Amino acid sequence: AQSVTQLDSHVSVSEGTPVLLRCNYSSSYSPSLFWYVQHPNKGLQLLLKYTSAATLVKGINGFEAEFKKSETSFHLTKPSAHMSDAAEYFCVVSDSATGTASKLTFGTGTRLQVTL
Amino acid sequence: AAGVIQSPRHLIKEKRETATLKCYPIPRHDTVYWYQQGPGQDPQFLISFYEKMQSDKGSIPDRFSAQQFSDYHSELNMSSLELGDSALYFCASSGTNARDRGRYEQYFGPGTRLTVT
Repeated sequence: AQSVTQLDSHVSVSEGTPVLLRCNYSSSYSPSLFWYVQHPNKGLQLLLKYTSAATLVKGINGFEAEFKKSETSFHLTKPSAHMSDAAEYFCVVSDSATGTASKLTFGTGTRLQVTL
Repeated sequence: AAGVIQSPRHLIKEKRETATLKCYPIPRHDTVYWYQQGPGQDPQFLISFYEKMQSDKGSIPDRFSAQQFSDYHSELNMSSLELGDSALYFCASSGTNARDRGRYEQYFGPGTRLTVT
């Protein structure tokens, strides 16, 4: 069974400071990993994805994540937070080895708060 | 670029009524997924379809059913609605090939907010 654990339910940073949102995964197969963002009362937007290519993945809006197999981690980072980054962030895993259209399994989410 | 379309965006129903949610995938996407997100919860997978056939099933109640049509749009039918069915229902679509389906990202629609009173 595949799962992801988001280690922080809430993260607060000051505008202009770095962002770190932590995620650990568990998967029996080579996983596909994603980060999605959800702004209040909005849909889910894909930030970035890892699908066994480069371990350092760059996404939209200056976000990036590094896949570390030895640590089973896929933490999301951004060098400098902006007020518009305030949202709920989901770490997501897809078991890509099943041979069927792969459902996504979401983490419980991390709410990012950005203060002035 | 065209996105996933869901209708209606908002729906209010009473207990024991039925509801039908519709999803129109991105053109040329052949796989549709349905997710349910309760208040303050993470999205939970309900069901998926690939080429009009059910491909996977998650925590979907027996009161719910879904199908994918020849034009690839999908409908989620919900009967005997309960208060606990109040949630945001997302549809997502992906374009896949037969060998490597999991490696294609899913694009989400804006969701249908269902309120059961």
